[in-house]
Amino acid sequence: KAGVTQTPRYLIKTRGQQVTLSCSPISGHRSVSWYQQTPGQGLQFLFEYFSETQRNKGNFPGRFSGRQFSNSRSEMNVSTLELGDSALYLCASSSGTRGYTDTQYFGPGTRLTVL
Amino acid sequence: SQQGEEDPQALSIQEGENATMNCSYKTSINNLQWYRQNSGRGLVHLILIRSNEREKHSGRLRVTLDTSKKSSSLLITASRAADTASYFCALLAGGTSYGKLTFGQGTILTVHP
Repeated sequence: KAGVTQTPRYLIKTRGQQVTLSCSPISGHRSVSWYQQTPGQGLQFLFEYFSETQRNKGNFPGRFSGRQFSNSRSEMNVSTLELGDSALYLCASSSGTRGYTDTQYFGPGTRLTVL
Repeated sequence: SQQGEEDPQALSIQEGENATMNCSYKTSINNLQWYRQNSGRGLVHLILIRSNEREKHSGRLRVTLDTSKKSSSLLITASRAADTASYFCALLAGGTSYGKLTFGQGTILTVHP
């Protein structure tokens, strides 16, 4: 099976702009989780979608949003970008149905730089 | 906080030696997973251990879990230069923590040839 794919891999934006990142999960997986990784805060959970519904959300401002489509592909959007949003954004897919044995498989990430 | 705390923050060893990394946490968990990350790239899943398991093996990797002490350890035996990476423990908390892994700050492992 193909792994988790994320596009684009690199992105440069300026403050105030908005950005949309895309994630295609492993075929058959219905859960997609998003994480932000920065040197200062480490890996932090943004949100999780399962069957087009957001089931869980981390402690991020409302500028961070996401959605999931019927084919399980997911997008996340960051509006009004700030310098502090510069980070590696990772998405992970899992079956979402096996509870405490469910493994998350990560994509290569999108490196966002805000100038 | 339920965040995993990893120890040591950095570890430098020679090829062929064993490497042990530890993870401690504060709340109940469903499972604990270990990941590897090379140079800011994506995370590679290594092992998942459920809360009712005590030990798991995968190749040169051995993970233990002690829920009474709320701690886990990852042992890499006969390390290789290719094992150089950051290693993270990630917790899936008890209850309805759908899709939310809570990561430790990681251990940077350097294996010298």
